[in-house]
Amino acid sequence: NAGVTQTPKFQVLKTGQSMTLQCAQDMNHNSMYWYRQDPGMGLRLIYYSASEGTTDKGEVPNGYNVSRLNKREFSLRLESAAPSQTSVYFCATEGSSTDTQYFGPGTRLTVL
Amino acid sequence: KQEVTQIPAALSVPEGENLVLNCSFTDSAIYNLQWFRQDPGKGLTSLLLIQSSQREQTSGRLNASLDKSSGRSTLYIAASQPGDSATYLCAVTRGAGSYQLTFGKGTKLSVIP
Repeated sequence: NAGVTQTPKFQVLKTGQSMTLQCAQDMNHNSMYWYRQDPGMGLRLIYYSASEGTTDKGEVPNGYNVSRLNKREFSLRLESAAPSQTSVYFCATEGSSTDTQYFGPGTRLTVL
Repeated sequence: KQEVTQIPAALSVPEGENLVLNCSFTDSAIYNLQWFRQDPGKGLTSLLLIQSSQREQTSGRLNASLDKSSGRSTLYIAASQPGDSATYLCAVTRGAGSYQLTFGKGTKLSVIP
């Protein structure tokens, strides 16, 4: 089992470009999450999906959109990247029978 | 708004030493508290989860305690090893569903051989 996978691992964008970060899980978990991690700020929730077909905003949703394509996949889209979105992005999942989250390895994004 | 503080931000100890990492939170109405480990360039790995009704949890050389009324938790690491070097994060939830998780900024631990 791969657990939680994220693609790409690294990405450099120019201001105004768009891109989609992909997350997939093989744990059969209902809930999926997108976080960003910045130095001095800790982890902050961008969006989450409690189940297939539902999405909700977290603490810092501005500038992002998400899609819960199916139970396995949850993508994060930056429509017009800004330097303030330079960060490390983590996807995580949580099963309905546990309160523990399982994290992917992260995507390191730089916006120039 | 819940705030989670971890002090110190960084800690360096010699191998074999027992150590304690601290976590405090401002709102004692929590559902559970978790300790995570993050290695450089990696995602987070859950170490221990303490439900609000529990006082402590143990896993191997790790022991986490929770004092909900005072808004504090400690992670005790016995007989530290260089492989324990990582950043340790504390997180609390105010209800079922991890969308309500609030993370601390972490303590970076270095265990010197």
